[in-house]
Amino acid sequence: AQSVTQLDSHVSVSEGTPVLLRCNYSSSYSPSLFWYVQHPNKGLQLLLKYTSAATLVKGINGFEAEFKKSETSFHLTKPSAHMSDAAEYFCVRRDTGRRALTFGSGTRLQVQP
Amino acid sequence: DAGVTQSPTHLIKTRGQQVTLRCSPKSGHDTVSWYQQALGQGPQFIFQYYEEEERQRGNFPDRFSGHQFPNYSSELNVNALLLGDSALYLCASSLFLTRGGSPQTDTQYFGPGTRLTVL
Repeated sequence: AQSVTQLDSHVSVSEGTPVLLRCNYSSSYSPSLFWYVQHPNKGLQLLLKYTSAATLVKGINGFEAEFKKSETSFHLTKPSAHMSDAAEYFCVRRDTGRRALTFGSGTRLQVQP
Repeated sequence: DAGVTQSPTHLIKTRGQQVTLRCSPKSGHDTVSWYQQALGQGPQFIFQYYEEEERQRGNFPDRFSGHQFPNYSSELNVNALLLGDSALYLCASSLFLTRGGSPQTDTQYFGPGTRLTVL
């Protein structure tokens, strides 16, 4: 089965420093890739999506991700972390012609003051 | 513009009981998907409904069933509840598309979820 692997279960950064959340995907024909964020006791919010257009995707709240086919990666970055960014982040794929989303195991981002 | 809504927000049941969860999709969407999120894990796909039919199913037993109504809202039913069914149940809505002859759904937008506890 096609999958996504989030390489870090927990990431801790200081407020104002860069954020990097890593995601690799198993190779497939042109998967669509997404990053979703989940704040405590809340549903999932879409941050950004890649659907084979530009490889650098800009999302909400200053987040962006770069699709690198040669590395089968889709890492999420933000130049400067804010306290409100503390949440669980999920890397997600949807394969061409498929309806279901496949989620990674999640990365918990902590932001220290 | 109302987003995806789910009811109830919390539910407590005992083993062996049956439960029904409800979802109203975002305005303009015609497809509803259901996911189960166990504590500390990523959501897992249960099934998707479009045009009142189940179109794709994940690796869940027949105890999990669903329905979609003409107004696109949906229900998830779970029979003979087990302790392991305790989870956050998420509904996602989207728009059905056909690209290059291949059916697929556009971006999925999630509701706040229903927290089910089975005792």
